[in-house]
Amino acid sequence: QITLKESGPTLVKPSQTLTLTCTFSGFSLITGGVAVGWIRQPPGEALEWLALIYGDDKTLYSPSLKSRLTITKDTSKNQVVLTVTNVDPVDTATYYCAHRRNSNYQNWGQGTLVTVSS
Amino acid sequence: DIVMTQAPLSLPVTPGEPASISCRSSQSLLHSNGYNFLDWYFQKPGQSPQVLIYFGSNRASGVPDRFSGSASGTDFTLKISRVEAEDVGFYYCMQSLQTPHTFGQGTRLEIK
Repeated sequence: QITLKESGPTLVKPSQTLTLTCTFSGFSLITGGVAVGWIRQPPGEALEWLALIYGDDKTLYSPSLKSRLTITKDTSKNQVVLTVTNVDPVDTATYYCAHRRNSNYQNWGQGTLVTVSS
Repeated sequence: DIVMTQAPLSLPVTPGEPASISCRSSQSLLHSNGYNFLDWYFQKPGQSPQVLIYFGSNRASGVPDRFSGSASGTDFTLKISRVEAEDVGFYYCMQSLQTPHTFGQGTRLEIK
């Protein structure tokens, strides 16, 4: 059974750095073609793709946010970490991590709501 | 970026009746491997999204066969043959042929 769970702060002040961790089980990020991505959803809005990391450390980023995003993995801990620098209230959203295989996001975490406010 | 445009944005349906959601991409989503990199996701209220359809027409594991996907060029369609109460929620198309992966605006399906 594949599970993913996001963790991190629920409240972050503007200009700070947000660090989110995705802890997963039931698959290996070493397996070819497998990746973990981050997608977010502002309250009442649509989904927005942020970043993706593969087992070979290949990373992909949303160009509009690339300067502020970093995605890394710790294979030994089965974790993927997303950092977002210089956050703004518009970054308020539910952040999801998802397991990508066979060119689709097959399994998603429950999501974690992050509010950016002073 | 590839723009994904869904229609309608709101879809009231009577239980037992069919439903159809359209998604148009601003560019071809056809990969050199012959597959369209187009997925459909369903998000129940208060829950995480779940994949329904991938490669434009492949049903994901565990998805009821009343759901089907089709493609014609840059036009994609999700069809529900007979809507049930549990189908209430938001439906999103998403392309992953190019980075950034992009989603449609979402279609809200509600029961009449």
